[in-house]
Amino acid sequence: EVQLVDSGGGLVQPGGSLRLSCAAPGLTFNNYVMTWVRQAPGKGLEWVSTLTSNSAGSYYADSVKGRFTISRDNSKNTLYLQMNSLRAEDTAIYYCAKGTMAASHNYMDVWGKGTTVTVSS
Amino acid sequence: DIQMTQSPSTLSASVGDRVTITCRASQSISTWLAWYQQKPGKAPKLLIYKASSLGSGVPSRFSGSGSGTEFTLTISSLQPDDFATYSCQQYNSYPLTFGGGTKVEIK
Repeated sequence: EVQLVDSGGGLVQPGGSLRLSCAAPGLTFNNYVMTWVRQAPGKGLEWVSTLTSNSAGSYYADSVKGRFTISRDNSKNTLYLQMNSLRAEDTAIYYCAKGTMAASHNYMDVWGKGTTVTVSS
Repeated sequence: DIQMTQSPSTLSASVGDRVTITCRASQSISTWLAWYQQKPGKAPKLLIYKASSLGSGVPSRFSGSGSGTEFTLTISSLQPDDFATYSCQQYNSYPLTFGGGTKVEIK
């Protein structure tokens, strides 16, 4: 069974930075599109960013564009989300999720347990 | 951006009931729609993809239908494990967008 292990969350001050990681042991990682989705407290799911299998294409929500960077290391089966200039409204549980093989028409069929990011002074 | 609107936002039902949740897209998305189930404190779980295809290991009491702009998720006979929040997601185009969720509560 494929598992995703997301980590790196924590408490950070407004304007600060954090890097999230998502490990995918046992997955043929370099075959799949990977995505970050977040959920603010008591709110619905919000797509954050998607990266193609070979890192050639990346997509971002307008709310994080220019502040967040998605990347991956296929040799380590790991996905990352570098978050800079963090704001209170970025406070959420962040989930990494495995997608399909193509960036177009990408749904998420395996999800990590999530890592909590709190932005507060 | 494609807006996804779910109804109802909350639904009260009993074990054994047939339950239907609706999701509407602001423009046509063909059948590029997924449904997820989420329980409190847990990650979402894929139920349905391509509007009507059942995810791996998902019980057959779950079904999806629709195309274009209107979609439904049906639970044929609600079980105790099904009390949760259900969300639709379009993957026709970026940005990917989710519906606001439907919470299925015990009546």
